[in-house]
Amino acid sequence: TQLLEQSPQFLSIQEGENLTVYCNSSSVFSSLQWYRQEPGEGPVLLVTVVTGGEVKKLKRLTFQFGDARKDSSLHITAAQPGDTGLYLCAGARGMAGANNLFFGTGTRLTVIP
Amino acid sequence: EADIYQTPRYLVIGTGKKITLECSQTMGHDKMYWYQQDPGMELHLIHYSYGVNSTEKGDLSSESTVSRIRTEHFPLTLESARPSHTSQYLCASSKQGATNEKLFFGSGTQLSVL
Repeated sequence: TQLLEQSPQFLSIQEGENLTVYCNSSSVFSSLQWYRQEPGEGPVLLVTVVTGGEVKKLKRLTFQFGDARKDSSLHITAAQPGDTGLYLCAGARGMAGANNLFFGTGTRLTVIP
Repeated sequence: EADIYQTPRYLVIGTGKKITLECSQTMGHDKMYWYQQDPGMELHLIHYSYGVNSTEKGDLSSESTVSRIRTEHFPLTLESARPSHTSQYLCASSKQGATNEKLFFGSGTQLSVL
């Protein structure tokens, strides 16, 4: 059983379009992180959300943590080819530490020029 | 930004060989981790360490072993590689005690066992 389900699994869009990807769970998390992984590289942290209902913006990326801290969404406005990559959410449960960090199934985004 | 290095980047070996995947970080982080990732899939934690001489197994059972003799170095060893070990192996580190801690990942080792 996967703790964190991400949807969609694959997404291919044209440059300039908007998109939203989701990270859902039935479990409550103390915080949730979003990473982007480009081909041939390791994941890079984009943002951490901590408070239920929290919204954070990173240029064209908007991250939201669900009120109940069980889910999160990532919205990209006017997608660019540089946004292409694997987006991973990771939920933290209990005390800080990667042994309590659970990664989602990932969304592979392709932005076509 | 990340000062964590993995070697080799790619490794193709035959079944039964012993291999060691290297991981080093220059950030002075106490915590280090090994994840296994199949193409386009989620990350599975296989080993972690909170400091020198500390190693623990992760959520995913693995036939590999790790050691942490120095803070900056966290090598992973497979005594006898098999085709089922073919995967991407990612090393990561983080700062002990940091709230909302951030994982820094290496570029990974893509292992293919024939």
